[in-house]
Amino acid sequence: EAQVTQNPRYLITVTGKKLTVTCSQNMNHEYMSWYRQDPGLGLRQIYYSMNVEVTDKGDVPEGYKVSRKEKRNFPLILESPSPNQTSLYFCASSPDIWRNTEAFFGQGTRLTVV
Amino acid sequence: GESVGLHLPTLSVQEGDNSIINCAYSNSASDYFIWYKQESGKGPQFIIDIRSNMDKRQGQRVTVLLNKTVKHLSLQIAATQPGDSAVYFCAERGGSGGSNYKLTFGKGTLLTVNP
Repeated sequence: EAQVTQNPRYLITVTGKKLTVTCSQNMNHEYMSWYRQDPGLGLRQIYYSMNVEVTDKGDVPEGYKVSRKEKRNFPLILESPSPNQTSLYFCASSPDIWRNTEAFFGQGTRLTVV
Repeated sequence: GESVGLHLPTLSVQEGDNSIINCAYSNSASDYFIWYKQESGKGPQFIIDIRSNMDKRQGQRVTVLLNKTVKHLSLQIAATQPGDSAVYFCAERGGSGGSNYKLTFGKGTLLTVNP
C-alpha cells in the first residue's frame, strides 16, 4: 500500500530537549516536504527536498532542520524545541516537484512543547 | 466561501444534495489550483487539481471550476454523502518554476453532511 508514515503520532516534550520526527514513504518519490498546521493559519511549509541531499527552506523554517540522506526518509529535527513549535505536523511526498500538487500526506504528528 | 486568508467557514448540507465550496486566490501567476480533503484525525488527501489554462475539470462526483477573471475557485460535490464530511482546502501553486513551485493553502471549509 502506498503510504507516508510519520512517527510518532503524538509527542509531548519539554522546552530545549532535542527531538526528531521521522517520515518515510514507499513510493520512490523524489519530492518531500514538511508542513505545520495551526488553527487560523492553515498549512505552512517548513522545509522541502527535491531529491537526496537537496533540501531548501519553506515559509517557516526557523527552529527546524531536515536531512535527506535516503530517498525514502525525510526526518524533521527540532534542536531546541520551544512552546511556539507546538503544532500539528505533516510530512508529504509527491513523484517530483512538477507533480507536487498530487501530494500524499502522512497521518500527522501532534507535538506539544511545554 | 473561504479565502487564502480568512477564518474557517462551515457548510452544512443534507445527504444527497450537491455541495459547493468556494475559494478565492490571490496570485495571478499560479499555474495550478488544487483541492484537498482532510478528515478528522487524518492528513490531507488530494482530490483534484486544475491547470490555470482550464476553467473546468471533472472527476468522480467532483467538479472544479476556475474563474481567473475574479480569481475564484470552486469545488462541486454531487450527491453528497456522509463520508464527504471533512475540511476541504484549496491551494494554489506558484507558477514561476524551480523552487517557486510552492503550494499556498487556504484555511479550509468544514463540510458537514446531515443524514
